[in-house]
Amino acid sequence: QQPVQSPQAVILREGEDAVINCSSSKALYSVHWYRQKHGEAPVFLMILLKGGEQKGHEKISASFNEKKQQSSLYLTASQLSYSGTYFCGTEIVSGGSNYKLTFGKGTLLTVNP
Amino acid sequence: DSGVTQTPKHLITATGQRVTLRCSPRSGDLSVYWYQQSLDQGLQFLIQYYNGEERAKGNILERFSAQQFPDLHSELNLSSLELGDSALYFCASSPTTGTDTQYFGPGTRLTVL
Repeated sequence: QQPVQSPQAVILREGEDAVINCSSSKALYSVHWYRQKHGEAPVFLMILLKGGEQKGHEKISASFNEKKQQSSLYLTASQLSYSGTYFCGTEIVSGGSNYKLTFGKGTLLTVNP
Repeated sequence: DSGVTQTPKHLITATGQRVTLRCSPRSGDLSVYWYQQSLDQGLQFLIQYYNGEERAKGNILERFSAQQFPDLHSELNLSSLELGDSALYFCASSPTTGTDTQYFGPGTRLTVL
């Protein structure tokens, strides 16, 4: 049930754009995006819910395609501070009320000057 | 600073031993989640508590147990430790038990020698 992230790693120059994808084999209820810098805790970026719209803040936005069971994270005009590992976490559609977030293996983003 | 505190920051122990990791959630948050992060497994959900009750279980070994106390702090107990248990253990909290932002603590780095 672990979502698959692609690419595994990406290197950018400051100001360039990047897209990180997150795919699931199961129907998704929600997708969560987090960024983790080396040696630090994951930091929340955004949640996308089933039936919801594309979300964004600053120059980072994301979309959720329920039919494809896929989410994409868009980073535009990247800054040095965007460097880190990006994780998507997925909550699948299930009959129960238990809430469980399953994370992908992460995408390492490096932004160089 | 997410408002979630974890102690200790580092823990070094020997195989076969037992340790307790402690987490205090953000003020007002009722849910506590425990995650294990290792290089080969990524971020793995272990268990969730909501207002003192177990709500969801992930890939938690039988040697591991957790509880949430009336003051909402939580403890993760790891026993009969093995070398493979060496990892970063994160606690996260959220206001509710549903789809919600999770705020991660700084983590406890456990090294089993």
